[in-house]
Amino acid sequence: KQEVTQIPAALSVPEGENLVLNCSFTDSAIYNLQWFRQDPGKGLTSLLLIQSSQREQTSGRLNASLDKSSGRSTLYIAASQPGDSATYLCAVSVNQAGTALIFGKGTTLSVSS
Amino acid sequence: GAGVSQSPSNKVTEKGKDVELRCDPISGHTALYWYRQRLGQGLEFLIYFQGNSAPDKSGLPSDRFSAERTGESVSTLTIQRTQQEDSAVYLCASSVRTGWNTEAFFGQGTRLTVV
Repeated sequence: KQEVTQIPAALSVPEGENLVLNCSFTDSAIYNLQWFRQDPGKGLTSLLLIQSSQREQTSGRLNASLDKSSGRSTLYIAASQPGDSATYLCAVSVNQAGTALIFGKGTTLSVSS
Repeated sequence: GAGVSQSPSNKVTEKGKDVELRCDPISGHTALYWYRQRLGQGLEFLIYFQGNSAPDKSGLPSDRFSAERTGESVSTLTIQRTQQEDSAVYLCASSVRTGWNTEAFFGQGTRLTVV
């Protein structure tokens, strides 16, 4: 059974710092990995989608990497801002039909000004 | 529409009552997913639709839960005889199709509180 783990569960950093969020999964037979952002009381916003054949994706200050063989992904946030404060979730698609994304429990990030 | 729309945004119901949660996916998206997020927990997969059919119902927690989708558009998640443990945020997502490279887009969720 695929399990997704995110470490740390919570992270507090001062504004301007670069940071890395970690995601690991137990079954390397994934088809894609997606990073989401969730603000309090809100739904999920898709940040980056990495297909299984890709090693990384970049969007603005965000860079996500994928090492499928070792079951790991990282989300790198450069020059963090208070507006980055949110819960970051990673999810893996576990079968070819992409029927269900399996989510980690998230990392709650707080960026102080 | 511009995004996935869910209604109501908040619902408070008495234990034992039935509730219906609605999801309007992005126009043209054939795949639709329901998830549940309990307080402090991760997202729990409930059910997905490809078109109007639901090939994967494995996540529904009990027979009190059911979902349907009509016209490859709106979906309704129904919870009968609600229990306090059903209290959660119910999230709906849609994607162009199911497939290995498709991106899922989520609605804002319905916060259900059973009292």
